[in-house]
Amino acid sequence: DGGITQSPKYLFRKEGQNVTLSCEQNLNHDAMYWYRQDPGQGLRLIYYSQIVNDFQKGDIAEGYSVSREKKESFPLTVTSAQKNPTAFYLCASSLLYSGVYGYTFGSGTRLTVV
Amino acid sequence: SQELEQSPQSLIVQEGKNLTINCTSSKTLYGLYWYKQKYGEGLIFLMMLQKGGEEKSHEKITAKLDEKKQQSSLHITASQPSHAGIYLCGADIRAEKLVFGKGTKLTVNP
Repeated sequence: DGGITQSPKYLFRKEGQNVTLSCEQNLNHDAMYWYRQDPGQGLRLIYYSQIVNDFQKGDIAEGYSVSREKKESFPLTVTSAQKNPTAFYLCASSLLYSGVYGYTFGSGTRLTVV
Repeated sequence: SQELEQSPQSLIVQEGKNLTINCTSSKTLYGLYWYKQKYGEGLIFLMMLQKGGEEKSHEKITAKLDEKKQQSSLHITASQPSHAGIYLCGADIRAEKLVFGKGTKLTVNP
């Protein structure tokens, strides 16, 4: 079955460490997105990519980095520059000009700083 | 400022009661999506609305997009405990990106 796989489901990070969250899709979707969710804040866009080797900053990109070397993969690195990384992270994908087809979401990664 | 305003923030209802959640934008919505989320899990797609005046239903959930395409409502009829969760509206307000409201937490008491 097609879908988006995020891993790991839970991740713990020590202060000053970089960690990478994985997002893989086999839907042949062009665009991929990373969102951060905090209690009471809804989802906020971190980065998005519409094509391989290209990506754009979202509303809260500071302290994060991404790459898009393959169409199927869009990993997110939470760097030590992100001062408050504890949150729930969601990856999504869509066809370009998705209007009709919508967005598909992964099951999320919960990151905790210890 | 929040581009999509959702109300109410939380809602507690007795099983069997009807309820409505609203999603309002100051800009024209080109695609309005409703998702449901269980705590700590991904988003489950419910419905998408594109045309002004459009209305869609799935089981006991109905969503409408007003004629001006700036407000949507999600209505649940005869709520059940299985309806509990966080309901999020998302919209294509800016080109090629989906923005979200802050969500409505629904509790259904048996």
